[in-house]
Amino acid sequence: AQTVTQSQPEMSVQEAETVTLSCTYDTSENNYYLFWYKQPPSRQMILVIRQEAYKQQNATENRFSVNFQKAAKSFSLKISDSQLGDTAMYFCAFMTMEYGNKLVFGAGTILRVKS
Amino acid sequence: GAGVSQSPRYKVAKRGQDVALRCDPISGHVSLFWYQQALGQGPEFLTYFQNEAQLDKSGLPSDRFFAERPEGSVSTLKIQRTQQEDSAVYLCASSYYGTTYEQYFGPGTRLTVT
Repeated sequence: AQTVTQSQPEMSVQEAETVTLSCTYDTSENNYYLFWYKQPPSRQMILVIRQEAYKQQNATENRFSVNFQKAAKSFSLKISDSQLGDTAMYFCAFMTMEYGNKLVFGAGTILRVKS
Repeated sequence: GAGVSQSPRYKVAKRGQDVALRCDPISGHVSLFWYQQALGQGPEFLTYFQNEAQLDKSGLPSDRFFAERPEGSVSTLKIQRTQQEDSAVYLCASSYYGTTYEQYFGPGTRLTVT
C-alpha cells in the first residue's frame, strides 16, 4: 500500500520568512510522481509543484522548491519570502502508474502566514 | 479556458435521500477522478474514468455509491440512501492523459446529511 505522512498539522511563519513543510511516503515502486497541492479556504485545490522520481534535480517554481530524498522517501516543500496569500492547507500527494494515476494524499499541513 | 466545474456547490440531504453530484471536466481531458474529503482531512480516492470507461472503483465505500460518465465528458456521482457518514466535500479532478499527469481540481460539492 502507498502511504503519505505529513507530521506537521499546523505551521506558522512571518511574512517574508522561509518555511519548510515535511512529507514522507512509503512505496515499493521505483517510478512515481510526487506533488504538493495548495488548498486555500475557498477549497479549490491548486498544484504548487511536482517532482518525477527519476529526476535527481529538485524541482523549483519561483518561491517554491522541494528537497527530494529518494532513499529516505522524503519530499519537503520550502516556501521562500512567504506571503499572506500563501496561507492555506498544503497537501503532499503521491502517484504511480501502477495504481492508475490516482493521487494518494497526506493529511495536510495548515500554514498560516502572519504579518 | 474554463476549469473543472461542479454542481451543486452545496447540498443538504436528509438521511435516506438520494443525491446526484455533477462534474464538468476541462474540455479534452480524458481522465476524470472523484475524491472524498472529510473535514480537516486529505482527499481520498473514490473512482477513476478514462473516457467513458470506469477503470477503477476501488475507493467507493459501499454499493450505495455509483458513478458514471456515459459520453466520456460530464460525470455524475450518485449516492443512494445517504447516511450521516457520507457528509464530506466531493472533489472532481480531470487530467489530459499525457506526460504531465497533473490533475486539475474543481471547487467541490459540500454534502451535508442531516
